[in-house]
Amino acid sequence: QVQLQQWGAGLLKPSETLSLTCAVYGGSFSGYYWSWIRQPPGKGLEWIGEINDSGSTNYNPSLKSRVTISVDTSKNQFSLKLSSVTAADTAVYYCARGAQDFTMVVVVITAASYYFDSWGQGTLVTVSS
Amino acid sequence: SSELTQDPAVSVALGQTVRITCQGDSLRIYYASWYQQKPGQAPVLVIYGKNNRPSGIPDRFSGSSSGNTGSLTITGTQAEDEADYYCNSRDSSDNVVFGGGTKVTVL
Repeated sequence: QVQLQQWGAGLLKPSETLSLTCAVYGGSFSGYYWSWIRQPPGKGLEWIGEINDSGSTNYNPSLKSRVTISVDTSKNQFSLKLSSVTAADTAVYYCARGAQDFTMVVVVITAASYYFDSWGQGTLVTVSS
Repeated sequence: SSELTQDPAVSVALGQTVRITCQGDSLRIYYASWYQQKPGQAPVLVIYGKNNRPSGIPDRFSGSSSGNTGSLTITGTQAEDEADYYCNSRDSSDNVVFGGGTKVTVL
């Protein structure tokens, strides 16, 4: 049973850089997408970005200019940095493991599924002067 | 379009059936995945793929798909099913997208 444990600073001032790390215990690091997701107070889930075990990244276009996700496979950890934070970045931040499945007929993808099957406990990050 | 659209709220009587829908162009290829989130807790995956439940998820939760719409059905709704439910998939640009969430109230 895989477990994700995350940590990082919970209180930041505007213009600082948010930094969070997520450790993966009890499961394979390869073959999955490792994501960061956030949830502002009282609002819905927003995907920030992902990285795979070979270090390929994919970011939400709305945050791409400020986001860096990195991976340390030797420690089974991945990290998030979000620069130039403002009050709008106040949210609970989650790390999560993403899995993708395809159904194919010959070489054509006929159906797909993408899902987060394990989540970290969440970290409330507050940006305030 | 990279959006997934959900109704903001639905209510259901205890023991009855409720269906939550998620609409978006990406769902013509992707099955919607569904998450349950209770206050102060991380989301929990309840349905993925065509209609798969992770270990520990009751069989009253089921999923279906038609055209650009994915659905989560709770049959015989229990009081503990009161929660927010989110769908997600990838879009045509390979970004991950979430629906806005549906608040389920059990009467």
